[in-house]
Amino acid sequence: QVQLVESGGGLVKPGGSLRLSCAASGFTFSDYFMSWIRQAPGKGLELVSYISGSSSYTVYADSVKGRFSLSRDNAKKSLFLQMNSLRADDTAVYYCARGLQANHFPNYFDPWGHGTLVTVSS
Amino acid sequence: EVVLTQSPATLSLSPGERATLSCRASQSISSYLAWYQQKPGQAPRLLIYDASNRATGIPARFSGSGSGTDFTLTISRLEPEDFAVYYCQQRSKSLTFGGGTKVESK
Repeated sequence: QVQLVESGGGLVKPGGSLRLSCAASGFTFSDYFMSWIRQAPGKGLELVSYISGSSSYTVYADSVKGRFSLSRDNAKKSLFLQMNSLRADDTAVYYCARGLQANHFPNYFDPWGHGTLVTVSS
Repeated sequence: EVVLTQSPATLSLSPGERATLSCRASQSISSYLAWYQQKPGQAPRLLIYDASNRATGIPARFSGSGSGTDFTLTISRLEPEDFAVYYCQQRSKSLTFGGGTKVESK
């Protein structure tokens, strides 16, 4: 079945860096846009970034532009989020999510991984 | 940016009752709206997309309606497992989420 498993979260000091990974299985990874969506503690959902199947197109939220970098390795069916210059307001659970439809610009998210917690604190 | 406003913030109902959740967009988004369910400690799950299409495996008691700026998610008869937070999301202009509605047990 389709599965997404995130890893790489943890505690990091302000200004530090972290690299999140998402391992995909059960579908043709290269056919789908992939996204990271975050949720601060007790808050709602925020789209962080998404990337096309071929890596030719990447979009970032204004709140992370210039600090985060999204990439993917289709051979390894993996998605990566490099997070630099981390701030306290980046503290959140980060979810990896697949686009609903193959070979389609991102519209909706299905499924989602279980999430990985990133805590930025001194 | 399209702002999605969900109401009410909290809905207190009993099992078996009908739940009606609202999502209003700051500008017309045609039918480009989805609904997600999130239970405590879990990731969101897609319920409805393009305003009224149920996602795979979603029970028929969940239904969506609306177009333009006003949308509704209806749960015909609440089951115990339906008590959760529900989010709407639009894909018309960029991709944004609403603030959520918590459906709690009365």
